[in-house]
Amino acid sequence: ETGVTQSPTHLIKTRGQQVTLRCSSQSGHNTVSWYQQALGQGPQFIFQYYREEENGRGNFPPRFSGLQFPNYSSELNVNALELDDSALYLCASSLRLGGDYNEQFFGPGTRLTVL
Amino acid sequence: GNSVTQMEGPVTLSEEAFLTINCTYTATGYPSLFWYVQYPGEGLQLLLKATKADDKGSNKGFEATYRKETTSFHLEKGSVQVSDSAVYFCALSKTGRRALTFGSGTRLQVQP
Repeated sequence: ETGVTQSPTHLIKTRGQQVTLRCSSQSGHNTVSWYQQALGQGPQFIFQYYREEENGRGNFPPRFSGLQFPNYSSELNVNALELDDSALYLCASSLRLGGDYNEQFFGPGTRLTVL
Repeated sequence: GNSVTQMEGPVTLSEEAFLTINCTYTATGYPSLFWYVQYPGEGLQLLLKATKADDKGSNKGFEATYRKETTSFHLEKGSVQVSDSAVYFCALSKTGRRALTFGSGTRLQVQP
């Protein structure tokens, strides 16, 4: 059974650029959540995708957007990068059955640095 | 809204010492409570969880009891090892909700 994988591991961008981060969910999982973890802080929920649709969103501006594909993998896109977007971005996958949300399994994260 | 407060670190202990990391929460209703651990360079791993009041979660010698009356979920271990050095996060989720709310984390350093 393959766990959650993310790519790339590290990324350096400049202010104003756009970035795409990728996540492959664990086998058998149908839900992907994204979190932003600033240095020295706990992760903050960005949004979740279920059946290729956004299924809940935290307090993040619209320039943070995402996609989920039929194979349940996901992308996080951030436009107009700001210095404060520098963080570790974590993807978590889980299995949702009806209204039941099960344990989230986290990937190793993508470290984004905005200069 | 929901929130989680953890004791600030770093917590520095000698091997075989007793560990307590305090965690309190604010939430309506009956959230599920979690402890996650993050080792250097890795993602988060679920350490233990409790889904209702008075439940005790346990794993790898770590324990935490869901205390509704004090809105707390303190993490304890009787004898820490160097390999326990990591950052520990307390978190909650509301039943039927999708997002985890995390505390700011507590770094544990165990010295030989």
